[in-house]
Amino acid sequence: DVKVTQSSRYLVKRTGEKVFLECVQDMDHENMFWYRQDPGLGLRLIYFSYDVKMKEKGDIPEGYSVSREKKERFSLILESASTNQTSMYLCASSLRGTAGKRTDTQYFGPGTRLTVL
Amino acid sequence: AQSVAQPEDQVNVAEGNPLTVKCTYSVSGNPYLFWYVQYPNRGLQFLLKYITGDNLVKGSYGFEAEFNKSQTSFHLKKPSALVSDSALYFCAVRGMNTGFQKLVFGTGTRLLVSP
Repeated sequence: DVKVTQSSRYLVKRTGEKVFLECVQDMDHENMFWYRQDPGLGLRLIYFSYDVKMKEKGDIPEGYSVSREKKERFSLILESASTNQTSMYLCASSLRGTAGKRTDTQYFGPGTRLTVL
Repeated sequence: AQSVAQPEDQVNVAEGNPLTVKCTYSVSGNPYLFWYVQYPNRGLQFLLKYITGDNLVKGSYGFEAEFNKSQTSFHLKKPSALVSDSALYFCAVRGMNTGFQKLVFGTGTRLLVSP
């Protein structure tokens, strides 16, 4: 089974702090994703990565950055946390596959509920 | 642009009755369609997907979904609901013509199964 782990289940930070959210997957997946989940808005893509050191902006990248130094690890960074970044953060990974054999199934971690005071 | 609509914020059903959670989509080209379930304070779990082939897709926990191209729908169904099915359900889509394997998620439908 695919296992995606996130460093914290719950996190409380103060406004202006730098926050690191870590995600690790153990299935050698090329693609990794960071989402935030808010009531009534569903999941919104922040950033994704399709290879080591590669990153692409998602739909709501403002206020966030990411790092992917190793294939299994994808970090989300809040450079200066703000109260509007209080949310549930979900990491996911998927196998790239090959043309004609793509699966696209994303596997999710348990989430980190971040509160910024 | 890709989009997904889940028109119901909440669906209520009695245990033992059939359930349907609705999803419609918009993509250019043929779609890849997914259903995920989220239990309280947990991440999303994959339920089932449609890539190609038979329009009726069977997934985990007795769930199934029917792909209807003419109505651009992918409704989730189960013949007999269980109280333990109570959760938040998300539909997601990706267009085959999309260059990268991003999914677009709906806003979610909360399913409440009463005893």
